[in-house]
Amino acid sequence: GENVEQHPSTLSVQEGDSAVIKCTYSDSASNYFPWYKQELGKGPQLIIDIRSNVGEKKDQRIAVTLNKTAKHFSLHITETQPEDSAVYFCAATGSARQLTFGSGTQLTVLP
Amino acid sequence: DAGVIQSPRHEVTEMGQEVTLRCKPISGHNSLFWYRQTMMRGLELLIYFNNNVPIDDSGMPEDRFSAKMPNASFSTLKIQPSEPRDSAVYFCASSLGTGEQPQHFGDGTRLSIL
Repeated sequence: GENVEQHPSTLSVQEGDSAVIKCTYSDSASNYFPWYKQELGKGPQLIIDIRSNVGEKKDQRIAVTLNKTAKHFSLHITETQPEDSAVYFCAATGSARQLTFGSGTQLTVLP
Repeated sequence: DAGVIQSPRHEVTEMGQEVTLRCKPISGHNSLFWYRQTMMRGLELLIYFNNNVPIDDSGMPEDRFSAKMPNASFSTLKIQPSEPRDSAVYFCASSLGTGEQPQHFGDGTRLSIL
């Protein structure tokens, strides 16, 4: 089955700096890669997703890149703000057509 | 628009008791997923339904766990009998179709088994 690895597990950045979270996946049949943000006491919220026919996607301060050859994808957050502090999860849909989640990254934006 | 609604938000009960978690998916979504989140194992898929039919329950940990979806707007996850190791946050999510479709999560039920 699909295996998704996510790094780093914790990340602290100064407000205004950029944050990058990286994930790798194992199933070459994976075609859909969403990113979720989870705040304390809440469920994961979809923030951006990318499909395998696209190499990069951007939505305001958030961007995701995908390298299918290397089987890795990354989340980039620019001009970070304190409200960006949360746990971020990557995920991939493999041949089983189910989402497999990474282990999460605790992002802390320091004022 | 109403999102995925789960109840209760918190449940504390004693070992051996039956626990029932409830979920109302987003109207129009035809796929529903139950996940469990723990520090040790992260987010795990327990079971998912498509058009009210269970498709894959290979993630259900034991026979003590069961899930039903009697109609398109309601699903339950039941644990009987409950054990302390079942303590976790249980999430329900729904989507339009399976696989490569965005899943929308509820805010979860925090379950504590004493």
